[in-house]
Amino acid sequence: ILNVEQSPQSLHVQEGDSTNFTCSFPSSNFYALHWYRWETAKSPEALFVMTLNGDEKKKGRISATLNTKEGYSYLYIKGSQPEDSATYLCAMTNTGNQFYFGTGTSLTVIP
Amino acid sequence: NAGVTQTPKFRILKIGQSMTLQCTQDMNHNYMYWYRQDPGMGLKLIYYSVGAGITDKGEVPNGYNVSRSTTEDFPLRLELAAPSQTSVYFCASSPGQNINQPQHFGDGTRLSIL
Repeated sequence: ILNVEQSPQSLHVQEGDSTNFTCSFPSSNFYALHWYRWETAKSPEALFVMTLNGDEKKKGRISATLNTKEGYSYLYIKGSQPEDSATYLCAMTNTGNQFYFGTGTSLTVIP
Repeated sequence: NAGVTQTPKFRILKIGQSMTLQCTQDMNHNYMYWYRQDPGMGLKLIYYSVGAGITDKGEVPNGYNVSRSTTEDFPLRLELAAPSQTSVYFCASSPGQNINQPQHFGDGTRLSIL
């Protein structure tokens, strides 16, 4: 069992603020790091998949970075909007075909 | 474009009853997964499959069984329902031969055991 940790557990920000969260994972046998966005009453939707140390991915106002040597990934949201309110999940995959999910960061953007 | 379809969406069972949670995908994905989501615990992997005829245990397989007779279908079976199995169950699939592909999730099945 691998331990993937996310922090903070929850976050409230004002509309227009930028924010970021952390995903920590064991760096041994690392294969890929996934970020998902999970809105209430819906299913998780994939945001990014990163595999290489130093990878950076961007989709609109959301971006992510990866450090496989120290075992962490950051997700950044620039200029948060109310529609960004969701739980953001990260998952690590290793060479064993399994996904190990963190418990998520719940983001609430206050208008 | 249906994606991953789970049925039923909600179910209440009595202790000791059995049921099958259905999952089907129309994307010709090789990999399929079953997770349970408990409050504050994130997603825990129950079973997964890397292709028809192949299944493997995940982190929390006890009390469950699966089969993968076709690429499209990956049903999850509860033989003797217990209150500890009250949870929201998600099925997911992913394409290709490697696991740097993202997963596509169904909408979940909310199961209560009373």
